[in-house]
Amino acid sequence: SQTIHQWPATLVQPVGSPLSLECTVEGTSNPNLYWYRQAAGRGLQLLFYSVGIGQISSEVPQNLSASRPQDRQFILSSKKLLLSDSGFYLCAWDVVAGPGANVLTFGAGSRLTVL
Amino acid sequence: RKEVEQDPGPFNVPEGATVAFNCTYSNSASQSFFWYRQDCRKEPKLLMSVYSSGNEDGRFTAQLNRASQYISLLIRDSKLSDSATYLCVVNPSASKIIFGSGTRLSIRP
Repeated sequence: SQTIHQWPATLVQPVGSPLSLECTVEGTSNPNLYWYRQAAGRGLQLLFYSVGIGQISSEVPQNLSASRPQDRQFILSSKKLLLSDSGFYLCAWDVVAGPGANVLTFGAGSRLTVL
Repeated sequence: RKEVEQDPGPFNVPEGATVAFNCTYSNSASQSFFWYRQDCRKEPKLLMSVYSSGNEDGRFTAQLNRASQYISLLIRDSKLSDSATYLCVVNPSASKIIFGSGTRLSIRP
């Protein structure tokens, strides 16, 4: 069966510090991978998605970046965090359930607080 | 206009009641629709897909109205454990997945 792991689960970082969040998927190959952010009390904002190794599409310009060094690994990074980067970061992969039907499965999330 | 819109609620209803909420979408070419459930401080999880003919899963019924471009979720005989945020999700095209901001539901004893 497929599983998705995210870490760390929680972190508190000072403004200006770097960030690295990691996500790995098991039990599938060549998944589409996604990074979403959810600010407190808000909806999910798509940050990046990837259809393969080294292929990253950015949805929102910001000080975050993503990389996919291996088929089942997706990393979210920042060189210098801002206060506005605080939020709940969710990695997801999808299964194509039919034409135009992408069903997402999420990791447990990483809750980031920037102070 | 937002691509996917939901009433944020909260909907506060007594246990055993029936509750329904809608979600509107702007892209008439959208093909696939889903409801996800998100518990407080947890990740969203798929609740059910929404089929053109409507579908039911136990106490939950999902409907699609293409003419008016909305989907609905009906919960019958609500339980305390149904308290959560319900997210509407629309696939306007392949690999594009749009989430609504969610509707908060609180079931009181």
